[in-house]
Amino acid sequence: GENVEQHPSTLSVQEGDSAVIKCTYSDSASNYFPWYKQELGKRPQLIIDIRSNVGEKKDQRIAVTLNKTAKHFSLHITETQPEDSAVYFCAASIRKLTFGTGTRLQVTL
Amino acid sequence: SAVISQKPSRDICQRGTSLTIQCQVDSQVTMMFWYRQQPGQSLTLIATANQGSEATYESGFVIDKFPISRPNLTFSTLTVSNMSPEDSSIYLCSVDTGLGLYGYTFGSGTRLTVV
Repeated sequence: GENVEQHPSTLSVQEGDSAVIKCTYSDSASNYFPWYKQELGKRPQLIIDIRSNVGEKKDQRIAVTLNKTAKHFSLHITETQPEDSAVYFCAASIRKLTFGTGTRLQVTL
Repeated sequence: SAVISQKPSRDICQRGTSLTIQCQVDSQVTMMFWYRQQPGQSLTLIATANQGSEATYESGFVIDKFPISRPNLTFSTLTVSNMSPEDSSIYLCSVDTGLGLYGYTFGSGTRLTVV
């Protein structure tokens, strides 16, 4: 089955800096790659996603890139703010989601 | 996107007992999924709940321990049977909004503590 690796496990950045989280997947048949943000005690919330026929997608301060050949995808957050502090999960899907291990992002003042 | 109501939101249960978690969706969905999130960990898929047929379980999860019902296209239950402290986790249901447009939405979760 699908296996998703995610790095780093923790990431601390200063407010205003950029944050990058990277994931790799194993199954070349995966065709959908969402990113979720989970705040403490809350459900995962979809923040951005990308499909296998697209190389890059951007939504305001958040962008995701996908390299199908290398089987990796990344989340980029620019101009980070304290409210970006949370755990972020990548996932890969062939009709069901397989999650990465998560990245705890801390944005410090 | 679909709105999911999941209950109970939390429960404290005695070991050896069972708990049934309900997931109600405000629209018909083809695929419903049940996940477990152990403390400080990622989400692990338990099973896919199929309407009109048995659930499809992932490796490491069995029907006797996690029986699932899916009586219609808007509702599913997950039972955690014969609980032990190791079953203490957050259990989440999720739906695929389908229509060829992927979009997995999660319920608010059930925080289970087994004592």
